[in-house]
Amino acid sequence: ILNVEQSPQSLHVQEGDSTNFTCSFPSSNFYALHWYRWETAKSPEALFVMTLNGDEKKKGRISATLNTKEGYSYLYIKGSQPEDSATYLCARNTGSARQLTFGSGTQLTVLP
Amino acid sequence: NAGVTQTPKFQVLKTGQSMTLQCAQDMNHEYMSWYRQDPGMGLRLIHYSVGAGITDQGEVPNGYNVSRSTTEDFPLRLLSAAPSQTSVYFCASSSSGSPYNEQFFGPGTRLTVL
Repeated sequence: ILNVEQSPQSLHVQEGDSTNFTCSFPSSNFYALHWYRWETAKSPEALFVMTLNGDEKKKGRISATLNTKEGYSYLYIKGSQPEDSATYLCARNTGSARQLTFGSGTQLTVLP
Repeated sequence: NAGVTQTPKFQVLKTGQSMTLQCAQDMNHEYMSWYRQDPGMGLRLIHYSVGAGITDQGEVPNGYNVSRSTTEDFPLRLLSAAPSQTSVYFCASSSSGSPYNEQFFGPGTRLTVL
């Protein structure tokens, strides 16, 4: 994996369903992995920053895991609600650490 | 505390025109950056700054200039606009300390170059 890749590109789920999506990244020279939530017409907002292999972070119904050895992170949403509809971006720190390389995002639509 | 502010929100330019996108933050953040967002692509880093007087190029710097004379402001200049620069531009900042701190994004500037 040369760049940060996210799958699926888009996803429709019913209200109440749980869902998850994937961020894959180069496992070499790993510094940190970020997840951002980006609602339409708003700014991206940080959800998690993860640095350690095996890290698991949680914020309400949203959680994320990190595997730096194999180069992937999962984002889980439990009991999806319409307000969870957004694009979820992951990004990897590169170069002099503060620079971020973003994936193209997973667009989630939660249907009522 | 306004966070990260950007002006203008929308702009239409003709090919060859120049303009400056403004970005300001009131959180005393050392690190500031500019990204562009194009359909089907992630945010791509244009330029960044680790403090006043220090700037560096990101992934897609061609056609853009930046300067950082104060901690608060980080303007992005388009020297001679081209249709390929039609995009949504985001400014972001983060605090000092850990280099992995979350970045705070402004509301974006939607630029169209005809």
